[in-house]
Amino acid sequence: DGGITQSPKYLFRKEGQNVTLSCEQNLNHDAMYWYRQDPGQGLRLIYYSQIVNDFQKGDIAEGYSVSREKKESFPLTVTSAQKNPTAFYLCASSIGQGGYNEQFFGPGTRLTVL
Amino acid sequence: QKEVEQDPGPLSVPEGAIVSLNCTYSNSAFQYFMWYRQYSRKGPELLMYTYSSGNKEDGRFTAQVDKSSKYISLFIRDSQPSDSATYLCAPRRAGNQFYFGTGTSLTVIP
Repeated sequence: DGGITQSPKYLFRKEGQNVTLSCEQNLNHDAMYWYRQDPGQGLRLIYYSQIVNDFQKGDIAEGYSVSREKKESFPLTVTSAQKNPTAFYLCASSIGQGGYNEQFFGPGTRLTVL
Repeated sequence: QKEVEQDPGPLSVPEGAIVSLNCTYSNSAFQYFMWYRQYSRKGPELLMYTYSSGNKEDGRFTAQVDKSSKYISLFIRDSQPSDSATYLCAPRRAGNQFYFGTGTSLTVIP
């Protein structure tokens, strides 16, 4: 079955630690995205990538980093510079440019800073 | 001004009620209008999609777009407890930039 997987489902981090959230898709989509979701704030775009080895900052990129070495994979690193990282993180992908362009979402990773 | 405004609710209705969920947007270039449904602790999934103004019906769900007033609606008829979720509107133009409302939390009480 085609889809997007995220791991782990739950992640706990101590202050000062970097952590990496995994996102893999087998939909053959060109574009991939990372969002952060906090209560009452909807989805906020962290980073997106339209093609391998290229990515752009979204609205809230500070304290985060990404890589896109393979089409299928778009890992997100939450660095110690991110002051309030506790949130629900969603990865998404879409086919790419064009008119109708649906985003498919993964199941999410809930990150908690202890 | 935000690109998309959505009343966060929460909205609580009895089973069988008609539910109306609404969004407004500011960008007149938006052409595609989507509604996503998100169950608690899950990723959003596409529920409805419309192109330009007009209505689209899918079972108990109707999506309505009024581009002249930049107003998007989702109606749910004969609401069921399984409809309890957060609903996000997502208008967009062609390309890879997506915009989302904050989501409206809906609870349908049996």
